[in-house]
Amino acid sequence: GENVEQHPSTLSVQEGDSAVIKCTYSDSASNYFPWYKQELGKRPQLIIDIRSNVGEKKDQRIAVTLNKTAKHFSLHITETQPEDSAVYFCAATPDFDSNYQLIWGAGTKLIIKP
Amino acid sequence: KAGVTQTPRYLIKTRGQQVTLSCSPISGHRSVSWYQQTPGQGLQFLFEYFSETQRNKGNFPGRFSGRQFSNSRSEMNVSTLELGDSALYLCASSWQGDTGELFFGEGSRLTVL
Repeated sequence: GENVEQHPSTLSVQEGDSAVIKCTYSDSASNYFPWYKQELGKRPQLIIDIRSNVGEKKDQRIAVTLNKTAKHFSLHITETQPEDSAVYFCAATPDFDSNYQLIWGAGTKLIIKP
Repeated sequence: KAGVTQTPRYLIKTRGQQVTLSCSPISGHRSVSWYQQTPGQGLQFLFEYFSETQRNKGNFPGRFSGRQFSNSRSEMNVSTLELGDSALYLCASSWQGDTGELFFGEGSRLTVL
């Protein structure tokens, strides 16, 4: 089955710098890769996702890149701000069928230092 | 539109008791999934229901069970509670359960004494 590894577990960056979180997956059939952000005491929320027919997707200061050959995808946050401090989770899932299930990474705690 | 609603938000139980948590998905969503989250831990998948059928189950003991009703509302039950069951239980709903956005509720925080 699918396995998703996420690194690093904790990332501390200076405000204004960039942050990169990387996830690797094992199932080459996976074709959907979302990223969720969970602020302290709040529910996880989708911030960006990418499908396997696309190599990169951007939304303002955040972007996700996908390398299908190497089976990894990364979240990039530029010009980090205090409100970016949160735990970020990646996930992957193969083609939808009756056994749909997202496989989650363990999470990365992002700390933005003022 | 209304978001995902979970009840109760907080509850305290003692070891050996059982608990039932409820989740009302966004109107029109047919998939409901449940997660356990402990401090410093990620999202541990419990199970997912779609149109009243359990489609997937995570690696949790049989003490954890769930069901989904015809109106897509879902409940999860934990019997014979253990101290290690203390956690935030999150449910999430989605349109069909396929590759698409999950909408999480605020969670039910269970404390087992």
